Amino acid sequence: GAVVSQHPSWVICKSGTSVKIECRSLDFQATTMFWYRQFPKQSLMLMATSNEGSKATYEQGVEKDKFLINHASLTLSTLTVTSAHPEDSSFYICSARDLLSSSRTSYNEQFFGPGTRLTVL
Amino acid sequence: GENVEQHPSTLSVQEGDSAVIKCTYSDSASNYFPWYKQELGKRPQLIIDIRSNVGEKKDQRIAVTLNKTAKHFSLHITETQPEDSAVYFCAASPNFGNEKLTFGTGTRLTIIP
Repeated sequence: GAVVSQHPSWVICKSGTSVKIECRSLDFQATTMFWYRQFPKQSLMLMATSNEGSKATYEQGVEKDKFLINHASLTLSTLTVTSAHPEDSSFYICSARDLLSSSRTSYNEQFFGPGTRLTVL
Repeated sequence: GENVEQHPSTLSVQEGDSAVIKCTYSDSASNYFPWYKQELGKRPQLIIDIRSNVGEKKDQRIAVTLNKTAKHFSLHITETQPEDSAVYFCAASPNFGNEKLTFGTGTRLTIIP
C-alpha cells in the first residue's frame, strides 16, 4: 500500500512551452501533497505544499505564477511549469501524506512519487 | 525557518565496516527526524525515523540516535553491504511530521567490496 505515482516519468520540451506533471496517490487519500525540485547531486528543495481544495502554499523564492499547482481531488495534484526555460530543467518529485489512516507506518510518513525528469531545450 | 546540515558529503567504507552520517538542525520545534535512501534517478525511500521523545531507534543493521539538547541526530549502518551504496538524506519536521520536511544536503555513501 501507500503508492504514489507520477506522470510522465520524463519529458523533453522546447523553451517557452508549458509542461504538466501529475502526482497520484493510488491507494490512499492524500489530504496534503508536497512538490520538490532536485537538481543534479543536490538535495530535495520543497517548492510548495498542496492541500486539497485550497490554494497551495509556496516556499520563499518559488514563483507561484510560474509553477501552478492544483490539488482538485484527494488523489491527484498537478504541477504545471509555465513558459519553461532551460534553468527549469530538473528532477521534480511529489510526495503525499495520509492523515486519515491510522494503519500507515510511523508518524505521518510522506510517500514519494518516482519523480519526473524535465529537460527544457 | 529550519536549517538542516549534514556531514560528510561523501563517505567511503569497506564492506562489513560501519558508516555514520551526522545531521544538525536549528529549529527546536522540530520533533520528527526521518532518514531517506535515494538511488540514482529514483525516489527517496524512508529507511528509519525517530521522534523527539526517543533517544535511539534500531532496525536490524540501521540505527538512529537523537540528541535533542544538542540538536543533532545520526544514522548508523553496521555490517555495510554493497547494496547500501546510495545517497542518504536526513530531514527534520515539526509537529511530528504533520508539517513540511526540511532536508539535509545529502551524503553519498560508497561501500567498497
